[in-house]
Amino acid sequence: AQKITQTQPGMFVQEKEAVTLDCTYDTSDPSYGLFWYKQPSSGEMIFLIYQGSYDQQNATEGRYSLNFQKARKSANLVISASQLGDSAMYFCAMREAFTGGGNKLTFGTGTQLKVEL
Amino acid sequence: EAGVTQFPSHSVIEKGQTVTLRCDPISGHDNLYWYRRVMGKEIKFLLHFVKESKQDESGMPNNRFLAERTGGTYSTLKVQPAELEDSGVYFCASSQGTLNEQFFGPGTRLTVL
Repeated sequence: AQKITQTQPGMFVQEKEAVTLDCTYDTSDPSYGLFWYKQPSSGEMIFLIYQGSYDQQNATEGRYSLNFQKARKSANLVISASQLGDSAMYFCAMREAFTGGGNKLTFGTGTQLKVEL
Repeated sequence: EAGVTQFPSHSVIEKGQTVTLRCDPISGHDNLYWYRRVMGKEIKFLLHFVKESKQDESGMPNNRFLAERTGGTYSTLKVQPAELEDSGVYFCASSQGTLNEQFFGPGTRLTVL
């Protein structure tokens, strides 16, 4: 079974609108962390935001917020006020404290976001 | 502060040849990770170093892959002999502690013909 599922291979959003990128995960580990990375066309992987499984509040970093619904095992990324520079591939990833060895990240297949004028 | 750097950015080799990829982590980061993304598939973990020691190499596909991290600084990943299915983008990442976010390098795009 896929540990990280990103069901949207591609998304379009208009500039200044908000967009939600979906991510669901599967783990039996009681302690885990969820990450979002951005990969622009230049290729580098940029860390965006982190949510720990025990965090009570949803993580926010500037225009990025993580809609964490633990019971549904979802960790959707919300980008507010989209900008042209947000066009990129977005990866959701998980680190499992025990079953995953505690360190390695398991990635989804990514969502290609295109921001339009 | 310099980020994670990788060399080369691109490598094109023929099947059966040897290639060595290099990663320089962020200074002071004891944890170094190798991942790869084969075309159209998800990014997959290869291995994790803590300083010069291999902490987890469960993702290494086979014994044609050899990773080293001499002196706990930079790391190399050698593929010998390369096969067609080794083509992909190889990412290196580093982190200060094992629970901290991992900072990725720009990747090395490997093409095996």
